[in-house]
Amino acid sequence: KAGVTQTPRYLIKTRGQQVTLSCSPISGHRSVSWYQQTPGQGLQFLFEYFSETQRNKGNFPGRFSGRQFSNSRSEMNVSTLELGDSALYLCASSTYTGLALNEQFFGPGTRLTVL
Amino acid sequence: AQKVTQAQTEISVVEKEDVTLDCVYETRDTTYYLFWYKQPPSGELVFLIRRNSFDEQNEISGRYSWNFQKSTSSFNFTITASQVVDSAVYFCALSEAFKSAGKSTFGDGTTLTVKP
Repeated sequence: KAGVTQTPRYLIKTRGQQVTLSCSPISGHRSVSWYQQTPGQGLQFLFEYFSETQRNKGNFPGRFSGRQFSNSRSEMNVSTLELGDSALYLCASSTYTGLALNEQFFGPGTRLTVL
Repeated sequence: AQKVTQAQTEISVVEKEDVTLDCVYETRDTTYYLFWYKQPPSGELVFLIRRNSFDEQNEISGRYSWNFQKSTSSFNFTITASQVVDSAVYFCALSEAFKSAGKSTFGDGTTLTVKP
């Protein structure tokens, strides 16, 4: 089974630009979550999508948005980039057992640098 | 609100030593799930264990063992006879059930360095 893939792996943008990151989950996984990882803040939850619907959202400004397609692939968009958005963005896919989330499988991440 | 605290930022041990990584959590839910993940230097987080709030039985998997104590809201992870390959950042995470199940909260991680 192929793992979680994320594209691109590295990205350099300038302040004010916008960026779109992509995530392909493991086949059969309908839950896709996004996290921001920085040295100072650790792993911060951005949002989770399940069957094309955003189910949960973290405490990030509206500049961070996402969507999920019918094939469970997900995209994350950040508009009006700020220097503080420089981070490793991780995507994780999972399944549910009843109403409980199972283990998450993480992708390699997209390293975003904002200049 | 849920919270996970990993008080140990960095731990350094010599190979073959035993090491315990601490995890303390906070949640108002009675049904929740605890996880441990490993992030080796290569970067990708790898799942280690999932435990639900109703199962306080300790678990052992090879050199790894986990001690879950609801009374102290702790879910500690012990590596026995550590090896250099165990060097990584270890994260403890919490996920509540039902509507907010997909909103996992991670601790800040503990960087473990095992020296030869």
